[in-house]
Amino acid sequence: DTGVSQNPRHKITKRGQNVTFRCDPISEHNRLYWYRQTLGQGPEFLTYFQNEAQLEKSRLLSDRFSAERPKGSFSTLEIQRTEQGDSAMYLCASSSRTGTSGSNEQFFGPGTRLTVL
Amino acid sequence: GENVEQHPSTLSVQEGDSAVIKCTYSDSASNYFPWYKQELGKRPQLIIDIRSNVGEKKDQRIAVTLNKTAKHFSLHITETQPEDSAVYFCAASPLRRALTFGSGTRLQVQP
Repeated sequence: DTGVSQNPRHKITKRGQNVTFRCDPISEHNRLYWYRQTLGQGPEFLTYFQNEAQLEKSRLLSDRFSAERPKGSFSTLEIQRTEQGDSAMYLCASSSRTGTSGSNEQFFGPGTRLTVL
Repeated sequence: GENVEQHPSTLSVQEGDSAVIKCTYSDSASNYFPWYKQELGKRPQLIIDIRSNVGEKKDQRIAVTLNKTAKHFSLHITETQPEDSAVYFCAASPLRRALTFGSGTRLQVQP
């Protein structure tokens, strides 16, 4: 499978615990995005990377959230001291500077569903 | 920042009819407008996109129109089929930036 992959697919944790998610983008895609989606809503932007540089962070990204892309390939999203309000689907997407449309076509992964009890 | 509004939130049509979903955006810097289809429990998948230098784009039964002056764009699906049933999201962004999504339209195609 040459698409975007995410692990784990599901995560159940207790409030106050830390969790970490991983995203593997499409090979050679230099841009990587994290979004959060709650039931019945569209994805909301969290942060994005161009290669290893984190270029933009949303106001939604509190100081409990941190993301890294250390070698410009895979990325991790960590949530510290989880809260029930963090329960959502966390989606990763990647794009290439020279995508098929020459613009910003973003390919999404299957997501990690987080449930905070 | 960008704000994208999408209407209607639900749409039910008979098989073979057309479906139209409309979105408005607020940031004049946005110049890329994709549409995603998301089936239950699945990832969003791009179905069509348009850039601001184009007013209309068509791909088989799907078309998108853009009115940059009025800051609105629409998705048109003709000859709808039951497999078109899903949630559709519009989005907007400046080129190569993060997408701002609408709230989604649940399309139900009745056989």
